[in-house]
Amino acid sequence: QQQVKQSPQSLIVQKGGISIINCAYENTAFDYFPWYQQFPGKGPALLIAIRPDVSEKKEGRFTISFNKSAKQFSLHIMDSQPGDSATYFCAASRYSTLTFGKGTMLLVSP
Amino acid sequence: GEEVAQTPKHLVRGEGQKAKLYCAPIKGHSYVFWYQQVLKNEFKFLISFQNENVFDETGMPKERFSAKCLPNSPCSLEIQATKLEDSAVYFCASRTDRGEGYTFGSGTRLTVV
Repeated sequence: QQQVKQSPQSLIVQKGGISIINCAYENTAFDYFPWYQQFPGKGPALLIAIRPDVSEKKEGRFTISFNKSAKQFSLHIMDSQPGDSATYFCAASRYSTLTFGKGTMLLVSP
Repeated sequence: GEEVAQTPKHLVRGEGQKAKLYCAPIKGHSYVFWYQQVLKNEFKFLISFQNENVFDETGMPKERFSAKCLPNSPCSLEIQATKLEDSAVYFCASRTDRGEGYTFGSGTRLTVV
């Protein structure tokens, strides 16, 4: 049973464009929803996170939109840059243990 | 320091051999987590500790896997009698007891041949 479904698997965006990655979860007990960025050979790094009592959170070029009733949340990367090319993981947490989505490989073309 | 230090970076073991991985969490972080990342990028939770106590071990294959976090020592994850399917990158992460965001280490790549 996959508790966090992430799409798309891969994404190509032109420099300056908007990258959008979506996640859906099943367990309504999840209470913390982070996004991680991972470069090859490195560990995931926390980008931005949200709690279910907030519908949107913005940090720089990164925005999380959260829809509690639909059990969905998404990451928007504005003005995407080649340096944003990485694998992005959504996750959901209850009692600290993270359940990850399967990842989205983002390529930002120059 | 402000990073989670994992050693070794790479480990090669023959099937049936023992593998031991180490993790030094960030000083002051009371929670430690171990995750396994397999080829398709999927993360699988293994075990977590609050200080030296097991917090959540629901992901741990108990027959061959064990883990410890003892005071004043790096945490460790040990795999007895490794199998080919244990080949993966093993990540350790830590966080404070107030915070929510984990800090991950760079991982240990285990290859079982």
